[in-house]
Amino acid sequence: EIVLTQSPGTLSLSPGERATLSCRASQRVASNYLAWYQQKPGQSPRLLIYGASTRATGIPDRFSGSGSGADFTLTISRLEPEDFAVYYCQQYGDSLKTFGGGTKVEIK
Amino acid sequence: QLQLQESGPGLVKPSETLSLTCTVSGGSIRSSSHYWGWIRQPPGKRLEWIGIIYYTGSTFYNPSLKSRLAISIDTSDNQFSLKLTSVTAADSALYYCTREFTTSGVVDWGPGTLVTVSS
Repeated sequence: EIVLTQSPGTLSLSPGERATLSCRASQRVASNYLAWYQQKPGQSPRLLIYGASTRATGIPDRFSGSGSGADFTLTISRLEPEDFAVYYCQQYGDSLKTFGGGTKVEIK
Repeated sequence: QLQLQESGPGLVKPSETLSLTCTVSGGSIRSSSHYWGWIRQPPGKRLEWIGIIYYTGSTFYNPSLKSRLAISIDTSDNQFSLKLTSVTAADSALYYCTREFTTSGVVDWGPGTLVTVSS
């Protein structure tokens, strides 16, 4: 099983600031099949990024994904009020898909 | 616009079987381009991938649940289902039905249904 470790656990930032979230895998993620999801309270997760760096349909370009192998990053260039949420990474390159523990982006 | 909706009991007794159904609307379940699946989220814990099913009936399960799990599909009703036997409190979670693609992960999620295992 590929274990995903997300850091930091919580990120306290102000609107307009840049957010950098990390996701580290216990082994290489096949085909860089790494996705990022956003989840707000009481809502289902929403796909933001797939294939490590491709934005999903309708996702603003302030969200960007990067990385390869076992180290991945989600960057939100300028935080909007609606971006404060929990973010999860997921690897889907292995037959057993796994999720990270999440990073909460909260208002400072 | 594809929509997914989970349904099933919100309370299940320990050692009994948890049964959930996902109804797909706005699209056909008989698509060859993606899989239908289940993911759960225990309170305060990370998301856990349960398993997926293809429209042909082929399944892929989380090994940790495989001995208790069955996912099935009903193409005539545009539904797929999950059955988890011998449940314990550890199976209490918010259960999501999903549509996932091989190359792009989980694209669509249902709103989720909370299942509590308790006597």
